[in-house]
Amino acid sequence: DQQVKQNSPSLSVQEGRISILNCDYTNSMFDYFLWYKKYPAEGPTFLISISSIKDKNEDGRFTVFLNKSAKHLSLHIVPSQPGDSAVYFCAASVETGANNLFFGTGTRLTVIP
Amino acid sequence: DAGVIQSPRHEVTEMGQEVTLRCKPISGHNSLFWYRQTMMRGLELLIYFNNNVPIDDSGMPEDRFSAKMPNASFSTLKIQPSEPRDSAVYFCASMGWWPNYGYTFGSGTRLTVV
Repeated sequence: DQQVKQNSPSLSVQEGRISILNCDYTNSMFDYFLWYKKYPAEGPTFLISISSIKDKNEDGRFTVFLNKSAKHLSLHIVPSQPGDSAVYFCAASVETGANNLFFGTGTRLTVIP
Repeated sequence: DAGVIQSPRHEVTEMGQEVTLRCKPISGHNSLFWYRQTMMRGLELLIYFNNNVPIDDSGMPEDRFSAKMPNASFSTLKIQPSEPRDSAVYFCASMGWWPNYGYTFGSGTRLTVV
């Protein structure tokens, strides 16, 4: 059973516009969330994270929003750049620092120049 | 630091053959994970080790899969016998203690079983 879901397998956005990637989860015990970015032929790399005590975390062009009541988080990229084209994975854990991360199926973002 | 090193990068084998995937974690990282990436299930955890000890192998799909970590710098994932449905990209990741939370992934091994 998939506890972390990314229902959009792909997303295309024009360069300079905002990219919004969504993620839903079912386990109310999750309290730490991460986004990973993956380029072809490479392993996923950590992008940004958020603890459940926050509803927003910002790092440069990347912002993650968390809505605990809806069990939903999103990643905003503003402005989008062609180099952002990659597969983005959402992940969650039951406790901060816990070993086991649960990943979504990924969303392939294409930023069109 | 060379990061997490996986070998081989690509493996093509015939159904029924034994396949061994290898991983060298980042020095000092005490947790190691094996993941499999498929289109349908995304990144699914197969097994993870803490301090070389297997903690959770509930994700290992069948008895055909086995994993070992004989020391802190090396782990293997073995499939015997391999089947076409095992074709996927297999990732190894390692993690250190907080505040270095978050995985560092290797580049993966693309396995094709024909």
